[in-house]
Amino acid sequence: EVQLVESGGGLVQPGRSLRLSCAASGFTFHDYAMHWVRQAPGKGLEWVSGISWNSGTIVYADSVKGRFTISRDNAKTSLYLQVNSLRPEDTAFYYCTRGGSFDYWGQGTLVTVSS
Amino acid sequence: SYELTQPPSVSVSPGQTARITCSGDALPKQYTYWYQQKPGQAPVLVIYKNTERPSGIPQRFSGSNSGTTVTLTISGVQAEDEADYYCQSTDNSGTVVFGGGTKLTVL
Repeated sequence: EVQLVESGGGLVQPGRSLRLSCAASGFTFHDYAMHWVRQAPGKGLEWVSGISWNSGTIVYADSVKGRFTISRDNAKTSLYLQVNSLRPEDTAFYYCTRGGSFDYWGQGTLVTVSS
Repeated sequence: SYELTQPPSVSVSPGQTARITCSGDALPKQYTYWYQQKPGQAPVLVIYKNTERPSGIPQRFSGSNSGTTVTLTISGVQAEDEADYYCQSTDNSGTVVFGGGTKLTVL
């Protein structure tokens, strides 16, 4: 069974940092690109970043470019998102999702940016 | 920046057909994907590559495309289909984009 489990969210002050993690299981992790998608409370889905199977291709949404860094560890079957210089508008559930089709999603981890 | 346009809401009675559209200039050249999201839950893929249905998704869900508009059709809508639906595609540079979402209400 494919499972994606996010962690690392929490309440953080503006300007601070967090590292989000996504633990993957039930499939051959290194065969798939992975992505992060976020959703502000009561709002729509927003794609954040994607990384190819071998980390050779990395892309970001303009809204997070220069502040967020995506990475992966295929040996640990894990995906990461380093989020720096957080702003109130970054408050959202952050989901990791698999492949080009986004065919499996985790349950998300909530990041709240507030003073 | 590239945008995908969806109607904010669609309402149908049980047993009727619901059609949710998604418009974007790059859609003729890029695949579209559709996701269903119920309150408090993660999104679920219901259509991929414009018209393909993942295993486990009921046959009443189908996708079609015509020019710059793609359509998610739910035939014989059931109460359990009430949810938010999002289209997703990429622009010509490969950046992923979601539509604003459509709330499907089953009357």
